[in-house]
Amino acid sequence: EIVLTQSPDTLSLSPGERVTLSCRASQTVARNFLAWYQQKRGQPPRLLIYGASSRATGVPGRFSAGGSGTDFSLTIDGLDPEDFAVYYCQQYDNSPLTFGGGTRVEIK
Amino acid sequence: QIHMEQSGPRVVRPSQTLSLTCTISGEYVSTNSAAWSWVRQSPSRGLEWLGRTSFRSRWSVDYAPSVRGRITIKADRAKNLFSLQLDSMTPDDTAVYYCARAQQPPNETPFQYWGQGILVTVSS
Repeated sequence: EIVLTQSPDTLSLSPGERVTLSCRASQTVARNFLAWYQQKRGQPPRLLIYGASSRATGVPGRFSAGGSGTDFSLTIDGLDPEDFAVYYCQQYDNSPLTFGGGTRVEIK
Repeated sequence: QIHMEQSGPRVVRPSQTLSLTCTISGEYVSTNSAAWSWVRQSPSRGLEWLGRTSFRSRWSVDYAPSVRGRITIKADRAKNLFSLQLDSMTPDDTAVYYCARAQQPPNETPFQYWGQGILVTVSS
């Protein structure tokens, strides 16, 4: 099983700031089958990124992502008030599919 | 547009079986392109994938080791839904349960579509 570790647990930031979230895998995520989701309270996760770096339909350009192998990152360039949420990474390369523990981005 | 609507109980007694359904609109459950999963979320376990079913000339299932042996996922083509059955429920199974759709190979994707989620509490 691929274990995904996200860091940090929580970030306190102001609107307009740039933030980078980290996701580290316990073994190589082959084919770069790594996704990022955003989740707001009371809602299911929303797919932001697939294939490690491709934005899903409708995702704003301020979201970018990259990485390969075991180290991946998600960057939000200029936080919008609607971006304050919890972010999860997920690998869909190997069964069982697994998620990271999440990073909460909160308003400072 | 694909829509997934979940239904099922909000409270389950300890040792009983949880049964949830996810009714699909906008796509056939038997499509070759989709894999249909159940995911749950709790403060103690975070987001946890439970298993999936998919169709490609025949139905296949894949279950997470954490629940293998007490989980069954099935599809119902006549009703265009898929279901989750989780046996021997304990308070540790208390969670929000989601159904979700991913794309099968060759154009594999993660979960693009989700149900609304159901909070299931295991309590006597």
